[in-house]
Amino acid sequence: EIVLTQSPVTLSLSPGERATLSCRASESISNYLVWYQQKPGQAPRLLIYDASNRASGTPARFSGSGSGTDFTLTISSLEPEDFALYYCQQCYNWPPITFGQGTRLEMK
Amino acid sequence: QVQLVQSGPEVKKPGASMKISCKTSSPIFGGYGISWVRQVSGQGLEWLGWISVNNGDTKYAQDIQGRVTMTTDTSTNTVYVELRSLTSHDTAVYFCVGSSDLWFVFDYWGQGTVVTVSS
Repeated sequence: EIVLTQSPVTLSLSPGERATLSCRASESISNYLVWYQQKPGQAPRLLIYDASNRASGTPARFSGSGSGTDFTLTISSLEPEDFALYYCQQCYNWPPITFGQGTRLEMK
Repeated sequence: QVQLVQSGPEVKKPGASMKISCKTSSPIFGGYGISWVRQVSGQGLEWLGWISVNNGDTKYAQDIQGRVTMTTDTSTNTVYVELRSLTSHDTAVYFCVGSSDLWFVFDYWGQGTVVTVSS
């Protein structure tokens, strides 16, 4: 099973700041890495697929990078609506599909 | 508009079984199937398994294999997940999720079904 480890667990920033979220895989997953955003009481929403491709409707301030075992989600300038939970997920080797434990992006 | 619409909340006693449904509004998931994902309150996401809506093939997470069955009714575009021998650890929100274009890139999510297991 591929384990994904996200860091930090919680990130406290202010609107307008840059956010950098990390996801590390226990073995190489090429670029088969997906990012989701989840707000309270809602289902997760697809943000980024194939490590760096923005999904339809994802604002340009969101970008993904990385390959192999180390991946990053960057939000260039935080908007108030960006404060949420973020999960990474691998779709390289299954079963099982696995998710990271999440990073909570909170407003300072 | 493509939607995944799930059945309503359930309350079960330990040892009982649950079966929840997910109706797809479109046949687009025929290519990549439907997965079920659950989320315990305040915790992360756990993939439970996958079903092909075309031929009923399934793959399950090892942790729950033996307690879970996923099925599909092609006449109504509905998929089901049944989980048996419930414990309090199965209390969670259960999501059906679909991929329209890439394997296991979940661009469609059901609204979630709350399952509570309590004596």
